[in-house]
Amino acid sequence: GESVGLHLPTLSVQEGDNSIINCAYSNSASDYFIWYKQESGKGPQFIIDIRSNMDKRQGQRVTVLLNKTVKHLSLQIAATQPGDSAVYFCAETTGRRALTFGSGTRLQVQP
Amino acid sequence: GAGVSQSPSNKVTEKGKDVELRCDPISGHTALYWYRQSLGQGLEFLIYFQGNSAPDKSGLPSDRFSAERTGGSVSTLTIQRTQQEDSAVYLCASSLAGGQGSGYTFGSGTRLTVV
Repeated sequence: GESVGLHLPTLSVQEGDNSIINCAYSNSASDYFIWYKQESGKGPQFIIDIRSNMDKRQGQRVTVLLNKTVKHLSLQIAATQPGDSAVYFCAETTGRRALTFGSGTRLQVQP
Repeated sequence: GAGVSQSPSNKVTEKGKDVELRCDPISGHTALYWYRQSLGQGLEFLIYFQGNSAPDKSGLPSDRFSAERTGGSVSTLTIQRTQQEDSAVYLCASSLAGGQGSGYTFGSGTRLTVV
């Protein structure tokens, strides 16, 4: 079946550095993508989204890049802070409205 | 309420017993979703309610799982004859109609442990 996957299960960065979290998806019909942040004991929290008619979208300290040619999504976090330490999930939908999630990348920020 | 509320936050049950998990969505949100998250894994879709439409049950793993949503608000996920592989965090989310955008708001989940 279709799946959303991640390249790296754990990413360790130094405080102040930029972080890049990658995600591959296999459903070419996916037209809407979301990045979520999940801290321990909490539900996923929306970070940023992007539609398939865009290839880049920026938020506060975060940027999402979408490459539909290779079905790849990335989340860039600028000036990573200790509070950014969490598990990050990408998710996609084809308009069915129930999101399909990847398995997550744990981001560890070293002080 | 201000957010999605789930209860209980933790549930330990014996294998073979039935459990009920509750979700109170954000007031006015017409869409409600249940997901399951196993340790170290992503979120697995279970069921989706949208207004008065028939729910999308395509993610329910077996007929031991069922869910209802009363009055378009509170939802209950029921697992009958629980098995150890049912142990997971069960997450509920709600959104305005359509769901796209930042409208998926998740609760903190119910951690179910079957012993």
